Amino acid sequence: SAVISQKPSRDICQRGTSLTIQCQVDSQVTMMFWYRQQPGQSLTLIATANQGSEATYESGFVIDKFPISRPNLTFSTLTVSNMSPEDSSIYLCSVSGQGGTNTEAFFGQGTRLTVV
Amino acid sequence: GNSVTQMEGPVTLSEEAFLTINCTYTATGYPSLFWYVQYPGEGLQLLLKATKADDKGSNKGFEATYRKETTSFHLEKGSVQVSDSAVYFCALKNYGGATNKLIFGTGTLLAVQP
Repeated sequence: SAVISQKPSRDICQRGTSLTIQCQVDSQVTMMFWYRQQPGQSLTLIATANQGSEATYESGFVIDKFPISRPNLTFSTLTVSNMSPEDSSIYLCSVSGQGGTNTEAFFGQGTRLTVV
Repeated sequence: GNSVTQMEGPVTLSEEAFLTINCTYTATGYPSLFWYVQYPGEGLQLLLKATKADDKGSNKGFEATYRKETTSFHLEKGSVQVSDSAVYFCALKNYGGATNKLIFGTGTLLAVQP
């Protein structure tokens, strides 16, 4: 299993500002995933963060808006840039265990972001 | 492509009632299937999983059977408790590409009343 710590757990931000969310894992993992969960919605994958290479973004998400860092195998950050109220969501960090499709994903407790 | 269709909520039940939350999927190949639970104010936790056809995942009184013929993975519990109130997500993971990512259903809110 993996224990994931996310910071901050929640924040209220002014529109036009940026927020950086940190994700720390207690073991080395190859891939880390960032999800967005808008109010009352399911989880949408934003990007996959690989150590030593550029993050891979899903359709509808761009690096300028959601820059990601992955400096080592246990840590990643997601920045939500130039925020608007539409960015109010829960942002979740996730990692997969080793072993391909049979392994579960582990999630951090999430960062609840409110943009005013 | 891969997708998950989940029963819409909210589902409201009395304590000790029988629960079914329907989940069907579309996928190429042979995906692994998961149910995740999100309690109020918390992140997602794995509830159970099944990795091949006819497998039954079970945990905390919840069960789900991987039915390839009906492409379904319905979640059931014989007697729900107030503490089971949460959002339940069906998900699949399919081999292919480099991402190994999860595809989630829309989630079903379960509210259990005493």
